[in-house]
Parts: sequence; structure tokens; C-alpha cells
Amino acid sequence: NTVMTQSPTSMFTSVGDRVTMSCKASQNVGINVGWYQQKTGQSPKRLIYWASNRDTGVPDRFTGSGSGTDFTLTISNMQAEDPAIYYCLQHNSYPLTFGSGTKLEIK
Amino acid sequence: EVQLVESGGGLVQPGRSLKLSCAASGFTFSDYNMAWVRQAPTKGLEWVASISYGGSNTHYGDSVKGRFTISRDNAKSTLYLQMDSLRSEDTATYYCARRDDGTYYYWGQGTLVTVSS
Repeated sequence: NTVMTQSPTSMFTSVGDRVTMSCKASQNVGINVGWYQQKTGQSPKRLIYWASNRDTGVPDRFTGSGSGTDFTLTISNMQAEDPAIYYCLQHNSYPLTFGSGTKLEIK
Repeated sequence: EVQLVESGGGLVQPGRSLKLSCAASGFTFSDYNMAWVRQAPTKGLEWVASISYGGSNTHYGDSVKGRFTISRDNAKSTLYLQMDSLRSEDTATYYCARRDDGTYYYWGQGTLVTVSS
């Protein structure tokens, strides 16, 4: 099975900061990765598909990049509404697997 | 508007069965692959099972293989998850989700399953 390792586990940031989080796959998954944002008490919301495509309505401060085994989600200008847990998901092979999440908080 | 509405959750004893439903509306259900994803309390997301648009292909996570069965009724626009031999570690909120562009874009609000004696 493909293991998706996210780092850091958690991070504190300030409004206006540039935030970068990582997702590493245990084997090559191509660009078969999506990124999700989950706020407390809500269903997950997809931000990025095929590793770097932003979903409709997602602010352009969110950028996904990477291929193969290394993927990154960047928030270029942290906003007050962005604190959440962010998950990556690989859909290259079954079973599909999520990373364990990066919890993003405001200082 | 796409809507996915889960139902059927509740409290169930270990070893018993439960069947979840997900009623879909706002799109042609038979055109899309679907899945169940769960989230244990205070834990991360776990993909459970998926089914192809016609229902002929199914896949399961290792933790539920042999105990859970995903199915669909395209005439009723409904997705199901039959859960047998339930364990305490199956306690979670279960989401149904529609597959778009590789991964899951539309999600339901979830239904809570609690396995406890």
C-alpha cells in the first residue's frame, strides 16, 4: 500500500505569512494527488486535484505542486479563515490513502 | 445543486450489522464513481470503499475488506454501505463522496456510527 507522509504535523503561522506543507508518497504516484481542507465540524473540501489544479472558487493563494513522490501545498498569504487540517490523498492505486494531516493554526 | 445525504448511522453493538445509505441528487448518479470515507473521532480521514459508476467494480480498504460491502442502486440514485461484524474501531463519521477529476469533490455531511456495548 502507498503510505502518504505529511509534515509538519502541526504549525502555527501569522496572517500574511507564506505557508508550505509537504506530502511524501512511499512510491511513485505520478500526479494522482489531491489536497483537502477540513475545518472543525465540516466535511472535507477539495482544494487541489491532479497535484496542481486548483478547484473552482479556491483562492489563488492556494497552490499545489509536485509529482512522483514529493508534493507540496503552499498558501502564499495566510488569511484568518485558513486555519484547518489539510490532507493529501493519493488515487494512483488501491487502496486509496490519505496523509495523516497538517494542522494549521494562527498564532 | 449536487447533494449527497447520508443516513442510517447510530449506536450498534460489536459484532452486529448496520447499513448506511447515501441519497444523491442534482446530477446523473449513474455517471459517477462513488466512495465511502470515514473519520474516527478526533482522527484523520480514511478511505473505506469505492464503486464504479455501473457497480461492477468495487475496492475496499484493508481494515474493512471481507466485512463491509459497497453497492449502489442507480435507479434510486442511492449508494449503500453494508457493514457486518462491526468492531469498536469502526466508530466514525461516514461520508459518501463523488469522484471527480481523480479524487472526491462532492461530499455529504456524514453520518455517525458508534459501535459500543
